[in-house]
Amino acid sequence: KAGVTQTPRYLIKTRGQQVTLSCSPISGHRSVSWYQQTPGQGLQFLFEYFSETQRNKGNFPGRFSGRQFSNSRSEMNVSTLELGDSALYLCASSPDYYYEQYFGPGTRLTVT
Amino acid sequence: AQTVTQSQPEMSVQEAETVTLSCTYDTSESDYYLFWYKQPPSRQMILVIRQEAYKQQNATENRFSVNFQKAAKSFSLKISDSQLGDAAMYFCAYRERNTPLVFGKGTRLSVIA
Repeated sequence: KAGVTQTPRYLIKTRGQQVTLSCSPISGHRSVSWYQQTPGQGLQFLFEYFSETQRNKGNFPGRFSGRQFSNSRSEMNVSTLELGDSALYLCASSPDYYYEQYFGPGTRLTVT
Repeated sequence: AQTVTQSQPEMSVQEAETVTLSCTYDTSESDYYLFWYKQPPSRQMILVIRQEAYKQQNATENRFSVNFQKAAKSFSLKISDSQLGDAAMYFCAYRERNTPLVFGKGTRLSVIA
């Protein structure tokens, strides 16, 4: 099976812009989670979707949003980008929301 | 909220030797999963091993094994016959039903040739 794919892999945006990141889970996986990884804060949970429904949400401002489509692909959007949003954004999928998660290669977002 | 603590920010091991990475967690639940993930310089997070809390037997995956002490809330990872490719950040993670993964801060492992 193909692994989790994330696009784009690298992104440079300017403060104030918005960005959309995409994640395609492993075939058959219905749960998709998003994490933000920074040197200072480590791995922080953003949100988790299961069968197009948001199951859990982390402690991030409303500028961060996501959705899941009927084919389980997921997108996350960050509006009004801030310098502090520069991070590696990781997507992970699992067959259900209680199993181990398999991660994609991440999207490196740089906000200037 | 559940917390995961990795008390060793950095560790090193000689090639072919054995190293143990420590992890403790805090929970009042009895049903949960524990995981070790590896993140090499490529930044791809790789699942190394998982342990179901209801299983008393420690999980093993080739050169990787865990020492799961449920009462002590301890979940250490042992890497035997260390290889250069084992050099990476290792994250301990916890998950219970209906909640997201909770990660520790990580342990950076260096392997010395």
